[in-house]
Amino acid sequence: AQKITQTQPGMFVQEKEAVTLDCTYDTSDQSYGLFWYKQPSSGEMIFLIYQGSYDEQNATEGRYSLNFQKARKSANLVISASQLGDSAMYFCAMTTGFQKLVFGTGTRLLVSP
Amino acid sequence: SQTIHQWPATLVQPVGSPLSLECTVEGTSNPNLYWYRQAAGRGLQLLFYSVGIGQISSEVPQNLSASRPQDRQFILSSKKLLLSDSGFYLCAWSSSGGREQYFGPGTRLTVT
Repeated sequence: AQKITQTQPGMFVQEKEAVTLDCTYDTSDQSYGLFWYKQPSSGEMIFLIYQGSYDEQNATEGRYSLNFQKARKSANLVISASQLGDSAMYFCAMTTGFQKLVFGTGTRLLVSP
Repeated sequence: SQTIHQWPATLVQPVGSPLSLECTVEGTSNPNLYWYRQAAGRGLQLLFYSVGIGQISSEVPQNLSASRPQDRQFILSSKKLLLSDSGFYLCAWSSSGGREQYFGPGTRLTVT
């Protein structure tokens, strides 16, 4: 079975600084996908970034990058130049085969001025 | 562009009452559809998914059921709500060949 572990319940960062949110995963499948979603206080889930298990380069989307270390089974999210609007819950998730997402428990990020 | 709607946005229901939550997607055809539940302070748990009209797969045994009467409509139901059914319910869609899932605004259900 697939499992996502996010060990940081909460993280604090100052505006304009970079922050790394940790995610480790467990699967016996060779082909899988890793995702990060942002959930602001409104509740909607916003897709941020995707990394495929066969992708050789780390995914990047604007200020978001995914530090993919396959041997360690980690997929950490790096947010550069944090903004106040980045304050939210962040969820790591994975799929194998069919598009059934398995989510971690999330990390609450608070960006301070 | 594609949009996904859910209603109602919030709902307070007594234990034992029925439930019907609706999700519709616009701007795409033959999407895969999903229902997730998020308990307070937790991650999302997949409840049901559907790859086509009338095709429903259940992920966890529970007090809920799902139906897909039309291509872009997904309904979550219960005949008798339990206190444990309280939570935030999110509908999502993906294209049949795509990888990302796109979520609706959610329904916050409180069972009293």
